[in-house]
Amino acid sequence: AQKITQTQPGMFVQEKEAVTLDCTYDTSDQSYGLFWYKQPSSGEMIFLIYQGSYDEQNATEGRYSLNFQKARKSANLVISASQLGDSAMYFCAMREGWGGSNYKLTFGKGTLLTVNP
Amino acid sequence: SQTIHQWPATLVQPVGSPLSLECTVEGTSNPNLYWYRQAAGRGLQLLFYSVGIGQISSEVPQNLSASRPQDRQFILSSKKLLLSDSGFYLCAWSEGADARETQYFGPGTRLLVL
Repeated sequence: AQKITQTQPGMFVQEKEAVTLDCTYDTSDQSYGLFWYKQPSSGEMIFLIYQGSYDEQNATEGRYSLNFQKARKSANLVISASQLGDSAMYFCAMREGWGGSNYKLTFGKGTLLTVNP
Repeated sequence: SQTIHQWPATLVQPVGSPLSLECTVEGTSNPNLYWYRQAAGRGLQLLFYSVGIGQISSEVPQNLSASRPQDRQFILSSKKLLLSDSGFYLCAWSEGADARETQYFGPGTRLLVL
């Protein structure tokens, strides 16, 4: 079974509108971290936002917020007031376990977001 | 502030040729370092990680190898490239091993094996 599922291969949004990118995850660990990255056409992976499994409040970073629903195992990214520069691939990722030796970030297959003027 | 560099930015190599990709991090000491590969249209796959000089762990058996000769230098190598080695290679670093530690990525190297 896939650990990270992003069901939207592509999304379109009008400039200045909000958009939600879906992410569901699968883990049996109680301790884990969830991350969202943006990958523009240049290729660099840009860190956007982080949510810990024990965090009670949804994470926010500027125009980015993470809608964390632990019971449903979902961690959707919400981008408010979309800008043309938000057009990019967006990846959800998970890292399981505090400390220890699990260093791996497991990535979803990504969602291509296109912002229309 | 921390900066991560990768070179070359792009590389076209014939099958069977050797490979050396380099990654360096500035502005931090004793970082954890990672090599990921991204095949076309897909997410990233962890290849190697290192928690210190000379300490390398492999996630996926293949014809690639990694080395860490200095604290902030991470090298990805191959003796003989395969067509399937084509892809986008990203180096990343983090402050520690905790799941809460964010991994920060470099600009990547696009490798095309012909």
